[in-house]
Amino acid sequence: DGGITQSPKYLFRKEGQNVTLSCEQNLNHDAMYWYRQDPGQGLRLIYYSQIVNDFQKGDIAEGYSVSREKKESFPLTVTSAQKNPTAFYLCASRAPGKGYGYTFGSGTRLTVV
Amino acid sequence: AQTVTQSQPEMSVQEAETVTLSCTYDTSESDYYLFWYKQPPSRQMILVIRQEAYKQQNATENRFSVNFQKAAKSFSLKISDSQLGDAAMYFCALRKGETSGSRLTFGEGTQLTVNP
Repeated sequence: DGGITQSPKYLFRKEGQNVTLSCEQNLNHDAMYWYRQDPGQGLRLIYYSQIVNDFQKGDIAEGYSVSREKKESFPLTVTSAQKNPTAFYLCASRAPGKGYGYTFGSGTRLTVV
Repeated sequence: AQTVTQSQPEMSVQEAETVTLSCTYDTSESDYYLFWYKQPPSRQMILVIRQEAYKQQNATENRFSVNFQKAAKSFSLKISDSQLGDAAMYFCALRKGETSGSRLTFGEGTQLTVNP
């Protein structure tokens, strides 16, 4: 079955460390997105990519980095420059054409210890 | 810039009753799409319903329907015959048309409780 796989489901990071969250899709979607979700808040866009080897900053890109070397993969690195990284991270992709919503992964819960 | 506002942080409904969740938005675009997503305790985001701004007819999906008021920039979700499985966080979202980029902007969410 087609879908989006995020791993790991839970991730613990020590302060000062970089960590990478994985997002893989087999839907053949061009566009992929990373969102951050904090308690009591909606989803905020971190980065997005509409095509391989291209990506754009979202609203809260500081302290994060991404790459898009393959259509299927859009990993997110949370760097030590991100001051408050504890959050729930959601990856999504979208089929081309108007009117389509996103397909979401099941998310990664990142906790700084 | 586009914004989405959900003014009801929490709502509750009795099983089998009807509830309406409110959403207002602001955009300068004429071509856009509106969505309602459901996030149950599993935290998986599930698309509930979508509406094209150019369509006057309100979208309906089984027990879920919307009241789209374009001039008022309002997009409420009505859930009829509420079921225990409807309990979740509901997010309203807006996306510009294809030629203007495709990012979704979300509201803050409404936590819906269904009482047996």
